[in-house]
Amino acid sequence: AQKVTQAQTEISVVEKEDVTLDCVYETRDTTYYLFWYKQPPSGELVFLIRRNSFDEQNEISGRYSWNFQKSTSSFNFTITASQVVDSAVYFCALSEWTGRLYFGRGTQLTVWP
Amino acid sequence: GAGVSQSPSNKVTEKGKDVELRCDPISGHTALYWYRQSLGQGLEFLIYFQGNSAPDKSGLPSDRFSAERTGGSVSTLTIQRTQQEDSAVYLCASSLWGQGSPLHFGNGTRLTVT
Repeated sequence: AQKVTQAQTEISVVEKEDVTLDCVYETRDTTYYLFWYKQPPSGELVFLIRRNSFDEQNEISGRYSWNFQKSTSSFNFTITASQVVDSAVYFCALSEWTGRLYFGRGTQLTVWP
Repeated sequence: GAGVSQSPSNKVTEKGKDVELRCDPISGHTALYWYRQSLGQGLEFLIYFQGNSAPDKSGLPSDRFSAERTGGSVSTLTIQRTQQEDSAVYLCASSLWGQGSPLHFGNGTRLTVT
């Protein structure tokens, strides 16, 4: 069965600090996709990134970066120089062949000014 | 282009009443998903549609819950004889068919059962 674990329930940082959100997953599939979503206080889930199981290259997009390591079944997300607007709940997810997503419980990130 | 649209945005109902929640997916998206989000429960999968068929209904909590999709587009989630534990935000998402297609979520319907 698919499983996603986000061990960090809540993280608080001060603006401009770097912060890493952890995600560990379990699957028996050889082909799978991993996702990160952001849920700001407004409530809408916003897609951030997708990575497939055959591509372990790290990715950087502005202040965001993602580190995918199959050896440890982890797909961690780092925000550099955090800003107040980054405050949100962040969800890691794993998809099965239907496209259905299995979500972690989410990490509430609070960035203080 | 238009995103996933859900209505109503808020619904307050009395225990025992039936409710219908509507989802209008992104045009051209063949896959549609319903999730439920409640405090302390995270994002709970309910049902998945491919076209008008529902190959996976495994997440529906009880037989009081049902869903349909017509014309490969609009979907309706119906909850009969609502209970207080049904209170939650019901989220709809759509995607292009196939593993790896990102799900695009609507803003959800907040259901409160009094």
